[in-house]
Amino acid sequence: AQRVTQPEKLLSVFKGAPVELKCNYSYSGSPELFWYVQYSRQRLQLLLRHISRESIKGFTADLNKGETSFHLKKPFAQEEDSAMYYCALGWETSGSRLTFGEGTQLTVNP
Amino acid sequence: DTEVTQTPKHLVMGMTNKKSLKCEQHMGHRAMYWYKQKAKKPPELMFVYSYEKLSINESVPSRFSPECPNSSLLNLHLHALQPEDSALYLCASSLRIPSRGRPTDTQYFGPGTRLTVL
Repeated sequence: AQRVTQPEKLLSVFKGAPVELKCNYSYSGSPELFWYVQYSRQRLQLLLRHISRESIKGFTADLNKGETSFHLKKPFAQEEDSAMYYCALGWETSGSRLTFGEGTQLTVNP
Repeated sequence: DTEVTQTPKHLVMGMTNKKSLKCEQHMGHRAMYWYKQKAKKPPELMFVYSYEKLSINESVPSRFSPECPNSSLLNLHLHALQPEDSALYLCASSLRIPSRGRPTDTQYFGPGTRLTVL
């Protein structure tokens, strides 16, 4: 069965510090990985997806199939990055189902 | 219009009430979704519609009844709910019909309806 693990429920960093939100997945086929973000009182929105290889708001994520990971990174965290971050997995036969991780609540302190 | 809208924002209902949640998008998306989200938890998929037809029902109790009158609208009819059904109900849409062998489309979420069942 497909599974997404985000080992940290809470992550707290200081402004300007690097941040890494971990995501590991289990799926034997060709995965599609996403990071969704939910800011306080805002809707859930896509941050980035692995196939686009973009950098959004300074965040990047690289799919590592060997380690089955899709960690989200930003070199210099900003206070406005404080939010709930969900890693999500889609797969070739999912019919657009997404399996979400439990989420990591990121707090960036001034 | 590039957003998914949902009404109402908040809903309080008794266990014997009948109510409906509404979702609308005008982005030309052909797939629409209902999710349930409990506090501090990820969204859980309930239903998927593609081309106004129900394509996925994740074993949701029959007290939740989805309806897709046209490609822009999605309703969720509620009847005889339980207090444990209290949650944030999210609607989402994506451009293309879910299909094997094609990359999963980005889903665009609405702001949700906060439902409280007394």
